[in-house]
Amino acid sequence: DMKVTQMPRYLIKRMGENVLLECGQDMSHETMYWYRQDPGLGLQLIYISYDVDSNSEGDIPKGYRVSRKKREHFSLILDSAKTNQTSVYFCASRQGARTEVFFGKGTRLTVV
Amino acid sequence: GDSVTQTEGPVTVSESESLIINCTYSATSIAYPNLFWYVRYPGEGLQLLLKVITAGQKGSSRGFEATYNKETTSFHLQKASVQESDSAVYYCALGYNNYAQGLTFGLGTRVSVFP
Repeated sequence: DMKVTQMPRYLIKRMGENVLLECGQDMSHETMYWYRQDPGLGLQLIYISYDVDSNSEGDIPKGYRVSRKKREHFSLILDSAKTNQTSVYFCASRQGARTEVFFGKGTRLTVV
Repeated sequence: GDSVTQTEGPVTVSESESLIINCTYSATSIAYPNLFWYVRYPGEGLQLLLKVITAGQKGSSRGFEATYNKETTSFHLQKASVQESDSAVYYCALGYNNYAQGLTFGLGTRVSVFP
């Protein structure tokens, strides 16, 4: 079953706390992505990972970092969360340049 | 950079009526982009609905169709007769044969189909 799984689905954090969003995929895809979605802004690319320990900034990387120690897992980390990081975060994966991008169900993060 | 503009929602239609969601794109690369329609049903992640990678071609899936028109830089999504189960948010997107880049999405169009 081809799946991208995100945990947790919902998260509430206080400003200044650290946040860890986890993503797993069972397809051995090399490439993984983190996006965030805000009303009126669509999906914006935060980071791309090409494989283990091979990551690249997307369009809006400021305030985020990522970790990929296993091909199946890609984590998004917010060190000292800010209220403007309240958003829905989507993880995605892809194998090869011409293939479908698979998305997780999203994590709704609220920073208060 | 690249951009995608699509019909602003919400769109409300009655069951068995036709639906069209407009999508136009602006691509900065000299290579023609690949075009996609993704759909997000309530409580689910984005799913690929259809894709077309060659200009002039039509993609279809689940009764939906979209034609890649490079002259008008458009990729409108159409369905002749919608069902209540088509209620979802639809996203037009473009990408390239380059895994180093993500997809560029439109803002999404929320469609509600009423019986």
